[in-house]
Amino acid sequence: DTAVSQTPKYLVTQMGNDKSIKCEQNLGHDTMYWYKQDSKKFLKIMFSYNNKELIINETVPNRFSPKSPDKAHLNLHINSLELGDSAVYFCASSQVRTSYEQYFGPGTRLTVT
Amino acid sequence: SQQGEEDPQALSIQEGENATMNCSYKTSINNLQWYRQNSGRGLVHLILIRSNEREKHSGRLRVTLDTSKKSSSLLITASRAADTASYFCATDRTGNQFYFGTGTSLTVIP
Repeated sequence: DTAVSQTPKYLVTQMGNDKSIKCEQNLGHDTMYWYKQDSKKFLKIMFSYNNKELIINETVPNRFSPKSPDKAHLNLHINSLELGDSAVYFCASSQVRTSYEQYFGPGTRLTVT
Repeated sequence: SQQGEEDPQALSIQEGENATMNCSYKTSINNLQWYRQNSGRGLVHLILIRSNEREKHSGRLRVTLDTSKKSSSLLITASRAADTASYFCATDRTGNQFYFGTGTSLTVIP
């Protein structure tokens, strides 16, 4: 069983479009995250979210919004896509304050043309 | 910036040798973690060291932490070709915000 899954694995779209990336974890974790990894492999946290608190990295444009229909899912919605949004996006989860160990999904490679 | 910075950026060694990677950070932390990323994959957790610990071992991995110097090192002993990957440190202050760097790309030559 896959612990953290993301769909789609690849996403190619044009500038200006709106797209979503889905993430699901079956670990029963209380916190989920979204990261962006650029072409230089720099991994930047975008959001962390549990059922009580959303923490947004202040450098993330408000075109990006996390949506959590339930505790096991945290989807990433992106409006008005730009060329600079091209990157690999990773979802992760953890059980905060007991483990801190994060489990990562396989990533979604987004290409904006 | 709260991100960790790994050093060196790239490291190439022969199988059987030891590999040492370093991480420096700028703020106080609760814990520091090391992750491995194989090409085209997500990150995999290797080891966590808490701010009140100085050294930790897990199999062929040894991690040290010097909070006075705000630095950590990851030592992989008796390296194998399968250890070829990128290695990242992640610092945590609050328990729900983790800061990674650009990683060290390790190549182990058979």
